[in-house]
Amino acid sequence: QKEVEQDPGPLSVPEGAIVSLNCTYSNSAFQYFMWYRQYSRKGPELLMYTYSSGNKEDGRFTAQVDKSSKYISLFIRDSQPSDSATYLCATQRGSQGNLIFGKGTKLSVKP
Amino acid sequence: GAGVSQSPSNKVTEKGKDVELRCDPISGHTALYWYRQSLGQGLEFLIYFQGNSAPDKSGLPSDRFSAERTGGSVSTLTIQRTQQEDSAVYLCASSLGTESYTFGSGTRLTVV
Repeated sequence: QKEVEQDPGPLSVPEGAIVSLNCTYSNSAFQYFMWYRQYSRKGPELLMYTYSSGNKEDGRFTAQVDKSSKYISLFIRDSQPSDSATYLCATQRGSQGNLIFGKGTKLSVKP
Repeated sequence: GAGVSQSPSNKVTEKGKDVELRCDPISGHTALYWYRQSLGQGLEFLIYFQGNSAPDKSGLPSDRFSAERTGGSVSTLTIQRTQQEDSAVYLCASSLGTESYTFGSGTRLTVV
């Protein structure tokens, strides 16, 4: 079993839709959880960062971590064509060291 | 500079040749990471530097791959005797801690 599993999609939604992106992870010791957004031919950029369980909201984006089920979610409200990108979930064993990524979900928001 | 800079942005090389990829991290970032991203795959960790030392090089796929970091700043990833399966985007990231983890735009390597 891979440490972080993510459905690669692709996912296509109409503009204005609510998007739900999800990952599962295997190691209960993971404490730090991130969502990265990657546009074509660019490096990933940090979108959301969460420590331990709970929700974090930033504008149209909400990150949710459920440590009991080892489930990570990203919700995008009122999705825009500019949200079209690949979204990668990631986790980290401690506060230092490498990140462990899911394969990424390719999202397309149609006008 | 303001961000992580990688060069070259694109590299086409013949099978069997050696290549060097360069990463210039954000000034002051003590940690530096190399990842590889192949088509349809996630980011695969290669090596991690803290300052000039590499406490974790567990992701290097073979002894053809090596990396160094000098002056706690610039890092070079070297691939010797390149193979076609080495074709990928090589990404560098630097950080002070988890929230400051910043990626460069990558070097797209094609081995023909």
